[in-house]
Amino acid sequence: DAKTTQPPSMDCAEGRAANLPCNHSTISGNEYVYWYRQIHSQGPQYIIHGLKNNETNEMASLIITEDRKSSTLILPHATLRDTAVYYCIVRVSGSRGAQKLVFGQGTRLTINP
Amino acid sequence: GAVVSQHPSRVICKSGTSVKIECRSLDFQATTMFWYRQFPKQSLMLMATSNEGSKATYEQGVEKDKFLINHASLTLSTLTVTSAHPEDSSFYICSADSGNTIYFGEGSWLTVV
Repeated sequence: DAKTTQPPSMDCAEGRAANLPCNHSTISGNEYVYWYRQIHSQGPQYIIHGLKNNETNEMASLIITEDRKSSTLILPHATLRDTAVYYCIVRVSGSRGAQKLVFGQGTRLTINP
Repeated sequence: GAVVSQHPSRVICKSGTSVKIECRSLDFQATTMFWYRQFPKQSLMLMATSNEGSKATYEQGVEKDKFLINHASLTLSTLTVTSAHPEDSSFYICSADSGNTIYFGEGSWLTVV
């Protein structure tokens, strides 16, 4: 079963920062937080992942609370193309063949012009 | 990012026939691949974990004799839907584990008529 809780939908104005929250209160010490997004009728796209430190790449930033029970994905300057369903997933990383990704319902993010 | 390719992207088959979907990791080796299906407006549902050189592990409720999975090499896994029926019509998505991150294919639309 999915171990994360996300709001079902969010809206954000184009050009503003989109902040997507995720609760994972039962996360284990060796579980990473992964974020993917799915644009309609496409396969999920990897965005970012992290263990306990904040992470940033060309797509987004990931802020993980000190107790690791929640995190926030930040899209710094949202565009219309960022409209998608965003999934937050916890998973053990680096263990080949063992750890699957289980998807919850995600957050449907709509970027408005 | 790493590339995972699925083929075909769309397929229509007659009821009672079998159809094969291929999933390839193009720039990394994957001992583990995963197969999902997704119905309209729903999240991804994990069907099975495909392990190179061994039998696939199926999720509860997924018929292994109907959804045949073969992982013959480190870059290729196949899903064969046998004796397809209209209710098997769905979006099938594969993913491959690079060891650090799981990357997804573009998905394959199956329509059974």
